[in-house]
Amino acid sequence: QSVLTQPPSVSAAPGQKVAISCSGSSSNIGNNYVSWYQQLPGTAPKLLIFDNNKRPSGIPDRFSGSKSGTSGTLGITGLQTGDEADYYCGAWDSSLSAVVFGGGTKLTIL
Amino acid sequence: QVQLVESGGGLVKPGGSLRLSCTASGFIFSDYYMSWIRQAPGRGLEWLSYITSSGSTIHDADSVKGRFTISRDNAKNSLYLQMNSLRAEDTAVYYCARTSTWYSNTWFDSWGQGTLVTVSS
Repeated sequence: QSVLTQPPSVSAAPGQKVAISCSGSSSNIGNNYVSWYQQLPGTAPKLLIFDNNKRPSGIPDRFSGSKSGTSGTLGITGLQTGDEADYYCGAWDSSLSAVVFGGGTKLTIL
Repeated sequence: QVQLVESGGGLVKPGGSLRLSCTASGFIFSDYYMSWIRQAPGRGLEWLSYITSSGSTIHDADSVKGRFTISRDNAKNSLYLQMNSLRAEDTAVYYCARTSTWYSNTWFDSWGQGTLVTVSS
């Protein structure tokens, strides 16, 4: 069981938008920052969002992040077939003194 | 550009040891914290350990405390993970990752391609 909870899967059609949730607690998301990673099939994870809502250079603004209370959300607009991947959230957990991840969400483009 | 290349994975028997390496290029290695993160087959990500830029401080996940040791050699732009007393459940792809951290915020902005460790008799 992962410390952060994500839906196992989401799906949407090309051009549509999707939101992936990441639920935690006061010891992680509630008082710390969320990051998001994209893992395309057979590849290493790649940073999409850090500091809850900041994008590294090179990440298109179709990807956005937000945080409210003990939950974070990754938004993706203008979905493309190349967005089909697993998405993971992560955060520092102050009680565990560890970085914790969600179990991952598989995005399927219909 | 930032490049991280892991090596040292392979097949090892339960109870055995293995040392992973990660060679960095494209950035000032000694300026950054570094981490090891693993992913068991078909499973999610698990953070294992990070080491500060100078190597003076290490932080481990409880799951590997006492068995795995992270270290670095800034002169060689290299990160290491010494893994002892390996178990079947340590079978995973092991990634090294450049780590950024400030206050209560830690994220991994560059990842290597990973090296597979298989623990089996």
